[in-house]
Amino acid sequence: GQQLNQSPQSMFIQEGEDVSMNCTSSSIFNTWLWYKQDPGEGPVLLIALYKAGELTSNGRLTAQFGITRKDSFLNISASIPSDVGIYFCASLNYGGSQGNLIFGKGTKLSVKP
Amino acid sequence: NAGVMQNPRHLVRRRGQEARLRCSPMKGHSHVYWYRQLPEEGLKFMVYLQKENIIDESGMPKERFSAEFPKEGPSILRIQQVVRGDSAAYFCASSRLTATNTGELFFGEGSRLTVL
Repeated sequence: GQQLNQSPQSMFIQEGEDVSMNCTSSSIFNTWLWYKQDPGEGPVLLIALYKAGELTSNGRLTAQFGITRKDSFLNISASIPSDVGIYFCASLNYGGSQGNLIFGKGTKLSVKP
Repeated sequence: NAGVMQNPRHLVRRRGQEARLRCSPMKGHSHVYWYRQLPEEGLKFMVYLQKENIIDESGMPKERFSAEFPKEGPSILRIQQVVRGDSAAYFCASSRLTATNTGELFFGEGSRLTVL
């Protein structure tokens, strides 16, 4: 079945450093989404990508939809303590209804002040 | 604007009991989705409902699980005769009518079910 593979699984970085994480699949997707989940909370949508090659920014966050449509990356510049959390990539399940998303297992980010 | 409201936030049940989880979507949203998250895992889609209709239940176990979204009141996810493997966080999400196939979902804070 369709699967999203995220790497790295976890990251420990110093405040102020840049962060890069990615999401790959053996399947082609037409949508890539990046969600962030704070401890004890539900996921919040950060960035949505709908076109191959698209590069989109949201403040210090930048995400790109890979040309092959099989991958996406998320960069965070100048990390701060509130960036701590789990970052999930997600996409629409091919052949599924709207809102039927597949999620990766997440990249857990820890930031040392 | 209130976000997606879920209750209870935490629920403890013994094996064999029933669990009922409630979800009120964001104001103006008519589509509700339920997801399950096991520890250290991503979220798994369970069911998509509109008012009084189940649109897609492809991710929901065929036995013991049911969901509804009545004309009045919240959406309810019901788990009968719970087993330890049902212990998880259950998230409800909602979306606007016009957000077809965008993947833009607004999630609640989740209901954490523990089965003893």
